[in-house]
Amino acid sequence: EIGLMQSPGTLSLSPGERATLSCRASQSIPDSYLVWYQHKPGQPPRLLIYGTSTRASGTPDRFSGSGSGTDFTLTISRLEPEDFAVYYCQHFGSPYTFGPGTKLEIK
Amino acid sequence: QVQLVESGGALGKPGGSLRLSCAASGFTFNDYYLSWLRQAPGKGPEWVADISSSGYVRSYADSVKGRFTISRDSDKRSVDLHMNGLRVEDTARYFCARLRNPGRGDFDYWGQGILVTVS
Repeated sequence: EIGLMQSPGTLSLSPGERATLSCRASQSIPDSYLVWYQHKPGQPPRLLIYGTSTRASGTPDRFSGSGSGTDFTLTISRLEPEDFAVYYCQHFGSPYTFGPGTKLEIK
Repeated sequence: QVQLVESGGALGKPGGSLRLSCAASGFTFNDYYLSWLRQAPGKGPEWVADISSSGYVRSYADSVKGRFTISRDSDKRSVDLHMNGLRVEDTARYFCARLRNPGRGDFDYWGQGILVTVS
């Protein structure tokens, strides 16, 4: 089973700043199988990016995904107030696995 | 618009049983795989089970295999999770979710979730 680690655990930034969130897999995974979600309290997770870099319907273009092999990154170019949330990466494997999350909080 | 609404038993005893149900609307039900996932407090989501669009293929996480059963009813447009042999560690918020593409493994719509407590 492939494990996912996310760093940092918590990221404190201000609106307008750039956020870089990391997801590292314990083994190399296909680019097509890496997914990112945004999760706000009291709401279900929201699909942001699939296939490493394809934005889901409704995802603003300030969100971008990149990476390959074992190292993947979610970048938010300029933080908006609504972007402060927990972000999870997920791998499509056997089984599906999720990372522990990065909490993006307002500084 | 796509909606997934969970319902069902919220409180169970160790060794006991519960049934969760998810009502789907706003999309062609028979075209999609559907899944159950859960999230314990302070942890990331955990995939629990999924069922193919036809209902013939079902997959389970090792943590629930042999105890939980997923099923779907196309007439009712619902997917159920029958939970037997409950354990304290099954306590979590349970989400019903649609698998956008079974070949990619991403969940594009989720319900609000239902809290299940085993105590």
